[in-house]
Amino acid sequence: EIVMTQSPATLSLSPGERATLSCRASQSVSSNLAWYQQKPGQAPRLLIYGASTRATGIPARFSGSGSGTEFTLTISSLQSEDFAVYYCQQYNNWPPWTFGQGTKVEV
Amino acid sequence: QVRLVESGGGVVQPGRSLRLSCVASGFTFSSYDMHWVRQAPGKGLEWVAITWHDESNKFYAESVKGRFTISRDNSKNTLYLQMTSLRAEDTAVYYCARAYNGMDVWGQGTTVTVSS
Repeated sequence: EIVMTQSPATLSLSPGERATLSCRASQSVSSNLAWYQQKPGQAPRLLIYGASTRATGIPARFSGSGSGTEFTLTISSLQSEDFAVYYCQQYNNWPPWTFGQGTKVEV
Repeated sequence: QVRLVESGGGVVQPGRSLRLSCVASGFTFSSYDMHWVRQAPGKGLEWVAITWHDESNKFYAESVKGRFTISRDNSKNTLYLQMTSLRAEDTAVYYCARAYNGMDVWGQGTTVTVSS
């Protein structure tokens, strides 16, 4: 099973600041890596797939990078609606499909 | 628009069964593989099961293997999760999700509480 490890667990930032979230896989997942945003009481929303491709309707301030075992989600300038929990997920080696434990971006 | 709507959650005693449903609309349901994913209270996301678009393959998380069964009725655009021998640790919000570019469409979730 591929273990996904996200860091940090919590990121405390202010609106307008840049957020950098990390995700590490226990073995290579190529570029088969997705990022999701989840707000309280809501379902997750796909932000990024293929490690770097924004999903439909996702603002350009969200960007993804990396391949193999090291990945990064960057939010260039935090907006108030971006404070949420972010998960990475690999879909390269399955089953199982595995998620990271999440990074909470808080004010 | 593309939509997934789960139902069937509730409060159930340990050892009992429950069947969840997920109705799809706005896309050709029969063309897509489909996942179930769950989230225990205050915890992260846990993949539960997947079925291929034609049910030719199904996979389960070790934590539910032998107790949960995923199925679908493409004529009704509906995905199911039959849950048996429920345990307290199965308490969670259960989401269905379309298996495309990761999981590109999610339902709003249905809550399952296993408690005596």
